[in-house]
Amino acid sequence: GENVEQHPSTLSVQEGDSAVIKCTYSDSASNYFPWYKQELGKRPQLIIDIRSNVGEKKDQRIAVTLNKTAKHFSLHITETQPEDSAVYFCAASYYGQNFVFGPGTRLSVLP
Amino acid sequence: EAGVAQSPRYKIIEKRQSVAFWCNPISGHATLYWYQQILGQGPKLLIQFQNNGVVDDSQLPKDRFSAERLKGVDSTLKIQPAKLEDSAVYLCASSLEGGGAQRHEQYFGPGTRLTVT
Repeated sequence: GENVEQHPSTLSVQEGDSAVIKCTYSDSASNYFPWYKQELGKRPQLIIDIRSNVGEKKDQRIAVTLNKTAKHFSLHITETQPEDSAVYFCAASYYGQNFVFGPGTRLSVLP
Repeated sequence: EAGVAQSPRYKIIEKRQSVAFWCNPISGHATLYWYQQILGQGPKLLIQFQNNGVVDDSQLPKDRFSAERLKGVDSTLKIQPAKLEDSAVYLCASSLEGGGAQRHEQYFGPGTRLTVT
């Protein structure tokens, strides 16, 4: 079955700097890759996603890149703000089925 | 639009007791997911329904967990009997996916925090 690894497990950046979180997946059939932000005690919230027919997607300060050959995808956050501090999860899925989540990255944005 | 609703929000039970969780997905969402999130870990998919049929329950511990989605709307997840290691947040999510629509975006409910003592 699918296995998703995520690195780093913790990340601290200064406000205004960029943050990058990387995930690798094992099943080449996976074709949908969402990223979720989860604040303490709250539900996961979808922040961006990418499908396997696209290499990059941007939404304001957030971007996701996908390398199907290497089976990895990355989340890029630019101009980080304290409110970006949270746990971020990547996931992989095959047509919206068999979702497998990574273990999470705790991002701290230091003022 | 109203989000995914779950109840109860918190539950404390003793081991070997039974417990049930309820989920009401976003109106019109064909697909419903139940996840278990243990503290410090990512959500783990337990079961996925499309309308009232099971799409995937490969990670559901069927000796103690059961779930149903009668009429293709609300769903209940039951644990009987509970073990200490079942302590976790149980998240319900829904998506439009189904009927040919490739809308995989999941929207999560607030979760039920279960503590087994």
